[in-house]
Amino acid sequence: DAKTTQPNSMESNEEEPVHLPCNHSTISGTDYIHWYRQLPSQGPEYVIHGLTSNVNNRMASLAIAEDRKSSTLILHRATLRDAAVYYCILRDGQAGTALIFGKGTTLSVSS
Amino acid sequence: SAVISQKPSRDICQRGTSLTIQCQVDSQVTMMFWYRQQPGQSLTLIATANQGSEATYESGFVIDKFPISRPNLTFSTLTVSNMSPEDSSIYLCSVRTGQGWVETQYFGPGTRLLVL
Repeated sequence: DAKTTQPNSMESNEEEPVHLPCNHSTISGTDYIHWYRQLPSQGPEYVIHGLTSNVNNRMASLAIAEDRKSSTLILHRATLRDAAVYYCILRDGQAGTALIFGKGTTLSVSS
Repeated sequence: SAVISQKPSRDICQRGTSLTIQCQVDSQVTMMFWYRQQPGQSLTLIATANQGSEATYESGFVIDKFPISRPNLTFSTLTVSNMSPEDSSIYLCSVRTGQGWVETQYFGPGTRLLVL
């Protein structure tokens, strides 16, 4: 799977929007862009994924650049519970392999 | 979706001993994975365990150290053998459901292992 680059950490205030960037310049045509997050003392949980178009769900929105070389996870109103490590992962839709985790972005949320 | 439970949730072990971690899923799944998360680090894939075949290990992990069983579609075990303090980590079980666009991985809560 291709590699992703994320900032080590970001900070936000409660109830403000958060934009978490991810660069994946070597993405291939069959790679899905997945976002997972890991809350303290828990296993990772699925947040959202996309292929080419922007995606929305109840947790977040995913904005994908037109050339697919970058994407942004958007939390519309951060809460204290959103403090976690966020992982941007490329998954080859044809390979059937496990997710490979990078270092992710540690998001801190202040009240 | 899939709900995963792991036993034990945590343990403290003496060096040289072995610990077997159990992973139970609430639905039948073909693909299961074991990860390790060392303190302050990200997750590292140990192996893929498909029912009916031998587990496939990632570089740096060997069967003698981390034997895996996968007796059916809802259960797997990972044994950490001849433990040393360097094995102190969180061990996570994961499963994959769906295919293509709906393919998703779910993770268990992890087993926190401390080796003295």
